[in-house]
Amino acid sequence: EAGVAQSPRYKIIEKRQSVAFWCNPISGHATLYWYQQILGQGPKLLIQFQNNGVVDDSQLPKDRFSAERLKGVDSTLKIQPAKLEDSAVYLCASSLSPGDGLEFFGPGTRLTVL
Amino acid sequence: RKEVEQDPGPFNVPEGATVAFNCTYSNSASQSFFWYRQDCRKEPKLLMSVYSSGNEDGRFTAQLNRASQYISLLIRDSKLSDSATYLCVVRDGDRLAFGKGNQVVVIP
Repeated sequence: EAGVAQSPRYKIIEKRQSVAFWCNPISGHATLYWYQQILGQGPKLLIQFQNNGVVDDSQLPKDRFSAERLKGVDSTLKIQPAKLEDSAVYLCASSLSPGDGLEFFGPGTRLTVL
Repeated sequence: RKEVEQDPGPFNVPEGATVAFNCTYSNSASQSFFWYRQDCRKEPKLLMSVYSSGNEDGRFTAQLNRASQYISLLIRDSKLSDSATYLCVVRDGDRLAFGKGNQVVVIP
């Protein structure tokens, strides 16, 4: 069974530039999550989708971050404009049901903002 | 107070020894608990669920203490391949809250 796919794997940008990440969840998984993991910290939930609807985006910095999952499958996360403190690994995860604990993570996108 | 608190360590463990660590959680209404493992520069992966009666999987034992609001993980007969960060995870509603992890380094 194919896992969660993410691209790109690495991205280096300068502050104030824009960047977008893509995620393809495991087939059949209705719930999709985007996490931010700063070095030395645990993953922090940014946004959670159930199919193509947003379930929780309370920790998403909406002035610069946006995410969508238009057809209930793939998702994109965008940062515009980026700040130095956005340097982190952005992890996408999916699960069959929300909060069931069985989340499968993608390999992540490592973002460096200079 | 953070939702999930863990002592990041590192926990340096001689090969073959036993290591144990705890995490505490703030929401007494939390419903489910898990341990995830994260290797260096890799994504987190589910290690085991933590049940009220405890859970054992080979050399790994997880315990839950609801009264004191903590979860523990014990690793027996440590192997070099056990070197990783162990993330404590608590379910709150429909989302999971992750601790910052306990870093374990098994030394030959």
